[in-house]
Amino acid sequence: AQKVTQAQTEISVVEKEDVTLDCVYETRDTTYYLFWYKQPPSGELVFLIRRNSFDEQNEISGRYSWNFQKSTSSFNFTITASQVVDSAVYFCALMAFFGNEKLTFGTGTRLTIIP
Amino acid sequence: GAVVSQHPSRVICKSGTSVKIECRSLDFQATTMFWYRQFPKQSLMLMATSNEGSKATYEQGVEKDKFLINHASLTLSTLTVTSAHPEDSSFYICSARGEGISGRSYEQYFGPGTRLTVT
Repeated sequence: AQKVTQAQTEISVVEKEDVTLDCVYETRDTTYYLFWYKQPPSGELVFLIRRNSFDEQNEISGRYSWNFQKSTSSFNFTITASQVVDSAVYFCALMAFFGNEKLTFGTGTRLTIIP
Repeated sequence: GAVVSQHPSRVICKSGTSVKIECRSLDFQATTMFWYRQFPKQSLMLMATSNEGSKATYEQGVEKDKFLINHASLTLSTLTVTSAHPEDSSFYICSARGEGISGRSYEQYFGPGTRLTVT
């Protein structure tokens, strides 16, 4: 069975601070994908990143960066110089490489950026 | 990027009535569509997976007769909540997956969601 844990239910930081959202996962699959999605107040899920389990290179996209560590089954997401527009719920998700490609979501972290 | 629409965005219905929610892939063919349910301040829970032209596969605990899913074409899937009750009030989100060049595409493109309120 697959499981995604986002231990931080809510985080508040002051604008321009850096913030890291944690994600820990469990899977028996040797090959899988990890995702991060953003859900702003409007409700629509916004795709942020997909990472293959066989590619542990960290990735940076503007103010966003992701740290994938297979040894600790973690896929953490860092926002640098946070902005008010970053306020949203962020979900980490896991999908097996083979099979029916169902996404297993974590419980989400509600991030509030205080101006 | 790929666009998925949902209609309606919000619906209020009386207890005992049925409600149909449409999910459309606007600029790609979706061989597989997924339906999720999200309660306030909670995560997305997969309800069912539908493949075009075949019966939907429901997750454990989801009532097939209550949540009717039809995936009649490569661009349209519908979710019908039959005999809705207040406990069915929720945010319903669909996603669509198309075939990539290699035959697989891993990103699911999500619709904007439908907020259902049953009174």
